[in-house]
Amino acid sequence: DVQMTQSPSSLSASVGDRVTITCRASQSINSWLAWFQQRPGKAPKLLIYQASTLESGVPSRFSGSGSGTEFTLTISSLQPDDFATYYCQQYNSYSWTFGQGTKVDIK
Amino acid sequence: QVQLVQSGAEVKKPGASVKVSCKASGYSFISYDINWVRQAPGQGLEWMGWMNPNSGNAGYAQKFQGRVTMTRSTSITTAYMELSSLRSEDTAVYYCARRNDWHSPDYWGQGTLVTVSS
Repeated sequence: DVQMTQSPSSLSASVGDRVTITCRASQSINSWLAWFQQRPGKAPKLLIYQASTLESGVPSRFSGSGSGTEFTLTISSLQPDDFATYYCQQYNSYSWTFGQGTKVDIK
Repeated sequence: QVQLVQSGAEVKKPGASVKVSCKASGYSFISYDINWVRQAPGQGLEWMGWMNPNSGNAGYAQKFQGRVTMTRSTSITTAYMELSSLRSEDTAVYYCARRNDWHSPDYWGQGTLVTVSS
């Protein structure tokens, strides 16, 4: 099974900060990677799929990059609505794996 | 609009089984796989498996093989996930999610809390 290592596990940031979260896959997954935002008590929300494609309706301050084994989610200017937990998810051979999550809170 | 509406919270005793439903609407039910993901309290997301509503074929994460069954009823556009031999570690919120064409879950149900306690 493909393992996903997400970092950092948590970070503190201020409104307006640029934030970067990384996911590493244990083997190449091409571009089969997605990013999600989850607020407490809510279902995850898809932000980015195919490593860099923005889901419809998601603000353009979110962007994704990478391929193979290294992937990045960037929030260009953190907004109050963005304080949440973020997960990456990979697809390989009919199975999914999620990263451990990154909690973004207010500095 | 696409909606996945799940059944309500359940409390089960160790050793029992639970069956969670996921009612789909707003799209062609047979055209998109349904996946199931769970989240234990305060923990991350854990994938359980997938089910193709058109064929009824399913695939399960190794961890759940032998304990989970994913089925569907096309007449009522509903997917089901049944987990047997429940133990306390199965206490979690269970989500159904539609898989998009890029193997990512684009729509999620609201989640169903399953509590396993004696």
